[in-house]
Amino acid sequence: AQSVAQPEDQVNVAEGNPLTVKCTYSVSGNPYLFWYVQYPNRGLQFLLKYITGDNLVKGSYGFEAEFNKSQTSFHLKKPSALVSDSALYFCAVREIWGQGAQKLVFGQGTRLTINP
Amino acid sequence: NAGVTQTPKFQVLKTGQSMTLQCAQDMNHNSMYWYRQDPGMGLRLIYYSASEGTTDKGEVPNGYNVSRLNKREFSLRLESAAPSQTSVYFCASSSTGGNEKLFFGSGTQLSVL
Repeated sequence: AQSVAQPEDQVNVAEGNPLTVKCTYSVSGNPYLFWYVQYPNRGLQFLLKYITGDNLVKGSYGFEAEFNKSQTSFHLKKPSALVSDSALYFCAVREIWGQGAQKLVFGQGTRLTINP
Repeated sequence: NAGVTQTPKFQVLKTGQSMTLQCAQDMNHNSMYWYRQDPGMGLRLIYYSASEGTTDKGEVPNGYNVSRLNKREFSLRLESAAPSQTSVYFCASSSTGGNEKLFFGSGTQLSVL
């Protein structure tokens, strides 16, 4: 089974500093990887995805993620954090099962807090 | 454009009561999903519907049933609620053809006493 792990429950960063939210994956075959963000009392919103191609993927709100095959990682990054980036972030991997059905398997989530 | 709409937003049930969570999407998506979110456990898939007329179990289907009423609507039913089903429930949808970008509703916060 495919899986992702987010080793940090919480990350604190000062406003204006670069931020990294970590994700490692375990898959058979080529991974399809995703990042989602959840703001308070809201559903998850898509940030970016890696399917194939460039290892650096750019997404919404200035976020980017770096795919590293040798380290089986897909860390989310942003050069300069904003207080409004404070939210819960989920890494996910696509899994195919049954009769070719597809689903996303999510990590446990990392709470990002940006301090003014 | 409403996207994915879930009702109700909040619900309190007593153990043994039943209820149905409603979900509708207006994006003409084929695939729809029900997830539950629990602290420290991320999102876990309850049921999935690849297309109208089909449903499949996910990781945690016990205690739930679903109905894909038409292409737009996918409901989740708790026949006899248990405290272990206290959670936040999210409905999501996606197009097919390998695009797994999910669009989520705003969630239903369910407490079972």
